[in-house]
Amino acid sequence: DTAVSQTPKYLVTQMGNDKSIKCEQNLGHDTMYWYKQDSKKFLKIMFSYNNKELIINETVPNRFSPKSPDKAHLNLHINSLELGDSAVYFCASSPYKVNDPPIRELFFGEGSRLTVL
Amino acid sequence: AQSVTQLGSHVSVSEGALVLLRCNYSSSVPPYLFWYVQYPNQGLQLLLKYTTGATLVKGINGFEAEFKKSETSFHLTKPSAHLSDAAEYFCAVSVPSQGAQKLVFGQGTRLTINP
Repeated sequence: DTAVSQTPKYLVTQMGNDKSIKCEQNLGHDTMYWYKQDSKKFLKIMFSYNNKELIINETVPNRFSPKSPDKAHLNLHINSLELGDSAVYFCASSPYKVNDPPIRELFFGEGSRLTVL
Repeated sequence: AQSVTQLGSHVSVSEGALVLLRCNYSSSVPPYLFWYVQYPNQGLQLLLKYTTGATLVKGINGFEAEFKKSETSFHLTKPSAHLSDAAEYFCAVSVPSQGAQKLVFGQGTRLTINP
């Protein structure tokens, strides 16, 4: 059983298109995240949801729109794709609850490699 | 702002040699610190973490790290490298953000093992 699963694993598309990446976790966690890993392997948080509510929204273009239909799912929709959006996008989950002490662990998915041509 | 800095983007050691990957943190409060490993084309896997208590933390695959407050360091070590240890390693710290918490990662260190 995969704890945090993302689909698709690979995505190749043209500039200007719209695409979505889906994420599901079966760990019963309250909090989910999207991270972006660039070509230099640098990881940066994009969004975090706690029990379907947006709790962290980093400086991300508004072409990126996360959606959490329930606490086990967090999807990422990207409009008008640009070359610079090419990256690996990681979904993660954590048992962290708002007002808890600091995060004790993040569980990551396998990543979705997006290539924009 | 709380952050971590990994010294050395690339470390190369011989099989059987000591592995030392360096991580320094900046934090005004006691930090929660992590080491993650990323094998090629895979997600990140937790190696070990320091939250509170014992400063020497043992993780999976024979790795360990020591939290040294006086040096603001959390270096990762393994006494004897295996070929299978070749991967990208990330140090991370939990930081407050917008009323919640997030993990902030260092730049990563690529570990190469020479046969």
